[in-house]
Amino acid sequence: QQQVKQSPQSLIVQKGGISIINCAYENTAFDYFPWYQQFPGKGPALLIAIRPDVSEKKEGRFTISFNKSAKQFSLHIMDSQPGDSATYFCAARGGSARQLTFGSGTQLTVLP
Amino acid sequence: GAGVSQSPSNKVTEKGKDVELRCDPISGHTALYWYRQRLGQGLEFLIYFQGNSAPDKSGLPSDRFSAERTGESVSTLTIQRTQQEDSAVYLCASSLGTAYNEQFFGPGTRLTVL
Repeated sequence: QQQVKQSPQSLIVQKGGISIINCAYENTAFDYFPWYQQFPGKGPALLIAIRPDVSEKKEGRFTISFNKSAKQFSLHIMDSQPGDSATYFCAARGGSARQLTFGSGTQLTVLP
Repeated sequence: GAGVSQSPSNKVTEKGKDVELRCDPISGHTALYWYRQRLGQGLEFLIYFQGNSAPDKSGLPSDRFSAERTGESVSTLTIQRTQQEDSAVYLCASSLGTAYNEQFFGPGTRLTVL
């Protein structure tokens, strides 16, 4: 059972544009929602994370928007740069589980 | 400081052979996780160690997979009688162990089963 659904699978954006990646979850016990960035040949690295007590969190050019009632959250990358080209994973954790449940990933390409 | 390290970085083996993958977590991190990443897919949880507690093995796909951890340090993931469908990148992560602590990932071991 896929508990975190991520879209789109791939995304191409012009430099300076806004990149938006969406995730939806099913398990209402989830209470921690991180986004990870992965470059080829590297392990994922935490980008930004949110708890459901807030609807938005911003760190620099990266913003998470969270809609608890819809069970959806999204990553917005403002002023996208070619160096942002990577694979992005949403994830969720909660209940008795300590492990993360990951989405399937979005391959972002930012054109120069 | 040093991050999570994994070895080998690449492993090619023949179907039916056993393989051992190693993970060195960040010093002081009590929690350690193994995940599997198939080509073009998200990460699948395999097993979780927290201190001296019994590991959470709920993600192991079959009894061919096992893992051990020595105290709060090195962990090894063993796959017996490897199959072609075991080909993937195996990622290890560690964290301070309390809720909501960031998981730091190693670079992974790319396993290819011929």
